[in-house]
Amino acid sequence: GQSLEQPSEVTAVEGAIVQINCTYQTSGFYGLSWYQQHDGGAPTFLSYNGLDGLEETGRFSSFLSRSDSYGYLLLQELQMKDSASYFCAVRDDNYGQNFVFGPGTRLSVLP
Amino acid sequence: DADVTQTPRNRITKTGKRIMLECSQTKGHDRMYWYRQDPGLGLRLIYYSFDVKDINKGEISDGYSVSRQAQAKFSLSLESAIPNQTALYFCATSDPDRGREGSYNEQFFGPGTRLTVL
Repeated sequence: GQSLEQPSEVTAVEGAIVQINCTYQTSGFYGLSWYQQHDGGAPTFLSYNGLDGLEETGRFSSFLSRSDSYGYLLLQELQMKDSASYFCAVRDDNYGQNFVFGPGTRLSVLP
Repeated sequence: DADVTQTPRNRITKTGKRIMLECSQTKGHDRMYWYRQDPGLGLRLIYYSFDVKDINKGEISDGYSVSRQAQAKFSLSLESAIPNQTALYFCATSDPDRGREGSYNEQFFGPGTRLTVL
């Protein structure tokens, strides 16, 4: 089967840097994605890693190591609006190309 | 703007009732999905459809059925609702673009339907 693990909660202050880790077990790994979800809202796509390495999009970066089945989302220059839940998701070609989501990490940004 | 919409946004019903949740999209995407979200469990796939004639069960399809009426419409039904189906339900779409890396992993979600089964 497939499984993903993330920390349940992370707290940081405005202006800081925070890293949210994701480890996964899947048989037909295709790529790792990250989604952001504010309270009461819908998940929105942040980033994707198909190959090892770092992908940067503004204040957010995402990293993947396929040999370690591990990735992380790095948020820099934290702002209050970054307070949200963050989900990693993998697409498994051996699972009908479906997306498997992690349990989510709730990030609280303090003033 | 091209969008994904869901109706109703909130629904309270009783055990044993039949419920239909509807999803419409104007993105022109072929692929549509229904997810269920419970606290601490993330999103779990109920059903997915890669085109009008292709419908497949996801991880937790028991107790649910779907209908893909058109490319733009994908409905989820609970034939006989039970309390443990109380959850937040999301519809999503995707449209893999072979010319753009990562598009396979980008899904667009509707605003969600909060369903409570008493």
